[in-house]
Formats: sequence, C-alpha cells, structure tokens
Amino acid sequence: EAQVTQNPRYLITVTGKKLTVTCSQNMNHEYMSWYRQDPGLGLRQIYYSMNVEVTDKGDVPEGYKVSRKEKRNFPLILESPSPNQTSLYFCASSFRRGRMGETQYFGPGTRLLVL
Amino acid sequence: KNEVEQSPQNLTAQEGEFITINCSYSVGISALHWLQQHPGGGIVSLFMLSSGKKKHGRLIATINIQEKHSSLHITASHPRDSAVYICAVSPPYNTDKLIFGTGTRLQVFP
Repeated sequence: EAQVTQNPRYLITVTGKKLTVTCSQNMNHEYMSWYRQDPGLGLRQIYYSMNVEVTDKGDVPEGYKVSRKEKRNFPLILESPSPNQTSLYFCASSFRRGRMGETQYFGPGTRLLVL
Repeated sequence: KNEVEQSPQNLTAQEGEFITINCSYSVGISALHWLQQHPGGGIVSLFMLSSGKKKHGRLIATINIQEKHSSLHITASHPRDSAVYICAVSPPYNTDKLIFGTGTRLQVFP
C-alpha cells in the first residue's frame, strides 16, 4: 500500500531533550516536506527536500533540523525542544514531474507536547 | 493579511444540504489544492486544479484565475463529510510549495 508513515504518533517530552520524528514513504517520491499545524495558524512549512542530499528551509525552520540521506526517509530533528514547539506535525511527499506541481501525500501526523 | 483566505471558518449543515466553501488568494499560483482533514487528524488531497472545474463523486471544485477565487461544493452532504477543508496554493516560483489557508470546519448533522 502506498503510504507515508511517521513515528511516533504521539510524544510527550521535556524541554531540552533531543528527539527525532521519523518519516518514510514507499512511493519513490523526490519531494518531501515537514509541516506543523497550530490552531488559528493553519499548516506551515518547516523544511523541505527536493531530492536526496538536497534540503532547504521553509517558513518556520528555527529550532529544527532535517536530513535526506535516502530517498524514502526524511527525519525531523529537534535538538533542544521548547514548549513553543508543541504542535501537530505532518510529513508529506510527492513526485516532481509537473510544471504545476503534484498532489502531496500526507503522513498520519505526530502530536508533540513539550513540557 | 493571509495570502490564502477561506470562508466561512465554521459551517454547520443538515444532511442532504448543498455546501459551498470559498477560497480567495492574493498571490500568483501554478495550482490550487483542496485538502480534507478528518477528525482523527489525517490529511487527504481532494483536488489539484489550475483552471476550470473538477468533479469527484459528490465533490466539485472550481477555480476562477482572473478573480483569484476557488470554491469547493459538496452535493447531498452526509455526516461523514464532517471534516476540516483546507485550501492551499502553489506559487509559480516553487511549484512544490504549498501555502495554506486556515481551513473551514464543516459539521453535517443527521
């Protein structure tokens, strides 16, 4: 089944304790992206990757890191989480073949609470 | 002002009603997307369009490029249509990027 998976789905942690949220897709998509969703603000892009070893900042990258060593995986790293990073996080992926862009496929979301 | 505005923010309807959700944007676009977010949180892409109209089952999406406006219509609404509907646009300078509206929460009662 074609899908984007994220782990963990729920996470409670404390300020300053490094964590990684994994994202994996099995559709051979070139493009992958991380978003956070907050009430009243909607979805905002954190980081994105056009292909292996190619990553770039989105609109709200502060406090996050990413890597793209393999095409299928795009982990999100919080080196020193703070309470303002409490949010619902989504990973998404798509092909990069159209001039208009492509449909993005979203993971199930990771709900993070930083105490 | 947000680059993508949706209206209404909240919408309630009785089962069977015809529903319209509106999206206006202020930037140039290569495409517009309609997404559905289920109460459990999962997000599914419904439509991607750059002109005209698309239909899938009871859902219809239209776009007017000159007026920078799109509508999502649901015919014969059903309680399972209850969800948050999100409009997003892709700018021409980065067709992979999505700029999101804040969503319209729809509740359909039996």
